Amino acid sequence: QVQLQESGPGLVKPSETLSLNCTVSGASIIGPYWNWIRQPPGKGLEWIGYFYYSGTIKYNPSLKSRVTISGDTSKNYFSLKMRSVTAADTAIYYCARGDPRHNWSHPWGQGTLVTVSS
Amino acid sequence: DIQMTQSPSSLSASVGDTVTITCRATQYINSYLHWYQQNPGKAPKHLIYGSSSLQSGVPSRFSGSGSGTDFTLTISSLQPEDFATYYCQQSYTTPFTFGPGTKVDIK
Repeated sequence: QVQLQESGPGLVKPSETLSLNCTVSGASIIGPYWNWIRQPPGKGLEWIGYFYYSGTIKYNPSLKSRVTISGDTSKNYFSLKMRSVTAADTAIYYCARGDPRHNWSHPWGQGTLVTVSS
Repeated sequence: DIQMTQSPSSLSASVGDTVTITCRATQYINSYLHWYQQNPGKAPKHLIYGSSSLQSGVPSRFSGSGSGTDFTLTISSLQPEDFATYYCQQSYTTPFTFGPGTKVDIK
């Protein structure tokens, strides 16, 4: 069964870069989409973007200027980098597999809380 | 961007009740509408894809319908583990967008 695990620092200083990895086990990242989604504490879900093994990467325009998503098919993981973070970027960050047909997210990683604070 | 709305934002129900949650898109999204359940402190769990298809392993008391811009999620015979927040999401076009959520709690 497919499992995803987010990893990265839980605390990032304002103006610095948030970096997260999502390690995928039980499946190759070649084929499906791979999504990043975030959820500020107590709030709703926001799609950040996705990686597709062919090199297609899509971003939420609201974050596009600060975000880079990439993937490594040889190591079977994909990554998120978000530059110039502020307190508004404090959130639980989830990675999720996107079905090849219509890109619904299943399964999800457990999520990792990233706090932006000095 | 396509905006998603949900109603109600919250509801109270009892075990055994049937509840219906509505999701509406500001533009046509065909059937590219999916539903998720989130329990406190947990990652969202996928329930339904393509408006009405049940994810494997999801109980049959969950059902979805709709096409175009209007969609519903129905939970029949509510069980204790169903008290959670439910989100709809469209994947018709990027940026993918989620509804604000509907919290189902115990009456």
